[in-house]
Amino acid sequence: NAGVTQTPKFQVLKTGQSMTLQCAQDMNHEYMSWYRQDPGMGLRLIHYSVGAGITDQGEVPNGYNVSRSTTEDFPLRLLSAAPSQTSVYFCASRKTSVAYNEQFFGPGTRLTVL
Amino acid sequence: ILNVEQSPQSLHVQEGDSTNFTCSFPSSNFYALHWYRWETAKSPEALFVMTLNGDEKKKGRISATLNTKEGYSYLYIKGSQPEDSATYLCAFGGGTSYGKLTFGQGTILTVHP
Repeated sequence: NAGVTQTPKFQVLKTGQSMTLQCAQDMNHEYMSWYRQDPGMGLRLIHYSVGAGITDQGEVPNGYNVSRSTTEDFPLRLLSAAPSQTSVYFCASRKTSVAYNEQFFGPGTRLTVL
Repeated sequence: ILNVEQSPQSLHVQEGDSTNFTCSFPSSNFYALHWYRWETAKSPEALFVMTLNGDEKKKGRISATLNTKEGYSYLYIKGSQPEDSATYLCAFGGGTSYGKLTFGQGTILTVHP
């Protein structure tokens, strides 16, 4: 199993550009989520999905869109990049939405918005 | 927004020292408490998932305890080694957000040879 994979590893954008961060998992997990990690802030939840076709907002959803057309994939779209979105983005998955399932993280995408 | 606090923010110890740090979380509507180890330039790796009051978990030299009634968990490292240097994160699952995990800011551990 590859686990949770993310692409790209690094990305530089100009303000106003859009892009999609890819996330995939091969563990047949129902629950997938996106976090951003900023210095001194810990991991903050952007969006999550409890299964194909179902998504919801987390703590910091503004400026981001998600969709979940398959169990495996959960892309995160930046609609119009802003410098405030410079961060490290982690995708994570777990078997179901219940909080006691172990959660697995992808390797992260480091995004810089100029 | 749920309040999950970790202390201390950072810790420097000598090789061979034993150390511990704390995660504080809301004591109501508890479902689970996760501990992660996060090395620089890598992704967080799950250490423990704890669900019952009084739970104690152990993996090698690392162990954790859980007190859901008072809302805290301790992570212990016995005989710290330089390879234990990492950020240790806790995440609380509970409150009104059944499936969401709320993360603390982490404790940065540096073990000096």
